[in-house]
Amino acid sequence: EPEVTQTPSHQVTQMGQEVILRCVPISNHLYFYWYRQILGQKVEFLVSFYNNEISEKSEIFDDQFSVERPDGSNFTLKIRSTKLEDSAMYFCASDWDLLGEKLFFGSGTQLSVL
Amino acid sequence: KNEVEQSPQNLTAQEGEFITINCSYSVGISALHWLQQHPGGGIVSLFMLSSGKKKHGRLIATINIQEKHSSLHITASHPRDSAVYICAGRDDKIIFGKGTRLHILP
Repeated sequence: EPEVTQTPSHQVTQMGQEVILRCVPISNHLYFYWYRQILGQKVEFLVSFYNNEISEKSEIFDDQFSVERPDGSNFTLKIRSTKLEDSAMYFCASDWDLLGEKLFFGSGTQLSVL
Repeated sequence: KNEVEQSPQNLTAQEGEFITINCSYSVGISALHWLQQHPGGGIVSLFMLSSGKKKHGRLIATINIQEKHSSLHITASHPRDSAVYICAGRDDKIIFGKGTRLHILP
């Protein structure tokens, strides 16, 4: 079965540093998403992306966050100046349709901000 | 405000038992996902429902649009079913429930 690939699996950074989390969605998918899950809490929606632009974003997705699809295959999440509270597991997901049968998730990047 | 509520929060059962996990959602959600999160953290999509019932192996998911309620059933449960099961409602974005932690004892 096709997979969404996320790299790195773990990222440790110092507070205030910029991080880029990378995702390779499934090749024919059109809708892309970032979610995060703080340890012990529920999964939270961050942003959805379609047709090379953000289609929806949550209150969490403030000016510190940005997304890009730089080359038609990668889908990146950038956090400009990380805070301690950004420590979480970040999941990328993709789908070929807005209400597709199955949302495909990557295995996540565990971000630790020290 | 669109919300998704799950129950129970935690569920422990013996192998072979029939399992039911419930999800209620508020207005504005046009479809519902059931997801499985493994102990290692990975998330797998099980079903997407906008009406009726779907079955895949030992898993059955139902949705009642009028009552804004969905259930996930597992028949003949097995220890490998132990995971967190998450209900997620979809409109413009996806709203996640807090998950049900299921533990099946051998």
